[in-house]
Amino acid sequence: EAGVTQFPSHSVIEKGQTVTLRCDPISGHDNLYWYRRVMGKEIKFLLHFVKESKQDESGMPNNRFLAERTGGTYSTLKVQPAELEDSGVYFCASSLLGTADNEQYFGPGTRLTVT
Amino acid sequence: AQTVTQSQPEMSVQEAETVTLSCTYDTSESDYYLFWYKQPPSRQMILVIRQEAYKQQNATENRFSVNFQKAAKSFSLKISDSQLGDAAMYFCAYRSPNAGNMLTFGGGTRLMVKP
Repeated sequence: EAGVTQFPSHSVIEKGQTVTLRCDPISGHDNLYWYRRVMGKEIKFLLHFVKESKQDESGMPNNRFLAERTGGTYSTLKVQPAELEDSGVYFCASSLLGTADNEQYFGPGTRLTVT
Repeated sequence: AQTVTQSQPEMSVQEAETVTLSCTYDTSESDYYLFWYKQPPSRQMILVIRQEAYKQQNATENRFSVNFQKAAKSFSLKISDSQLGDAAMYFCAYRSPNAGNMLTFGGGTRLMVKP
């Protein structure tokens, strides 16, 4: 079974440009999460989808970030316009809905570099 | 809000030896989950071990075990008989049953294994 995949693996953009990150969760996983690790600091939660609905977006830093999960399958995270402080690694994770353990399976991350 | 602290940015261990990675956390909750995740270089993060706070018995997974001290809010990871493949970033994480499924991570510990 395929794990969580993320595309691209690495993106280098200039300040002010737009970038869209994609996450494909494990098939059948209704929970989808976005996290990011900025400049070697802690991995921080961004938001949580249950199917196509945003369950919790308390970690989204500002309105330059837009996450979508149309159809409850893959998700995109758009940064527009990108700023230097957005550089970091963006992780996606997915998990089954309603299980007691609810283990989150992580993707390999997208490394975003804003110059 | 909960916080997780990993006080050791880097650790090294000789192959076949034992190493302990530290993690402390701050919470006012009595029920929660704790995790150790491993991220090998250029690979995705995988779950190593989990601990439910209501369980007094320390979790064990083969060569990996934890020392869970609830009163001290400490959750250290012991790796026995270290192998070269154990070299990775290790992240301690906390999950509250009252805050959806979001994980709160520590800053990570880079473990190097010397042959």
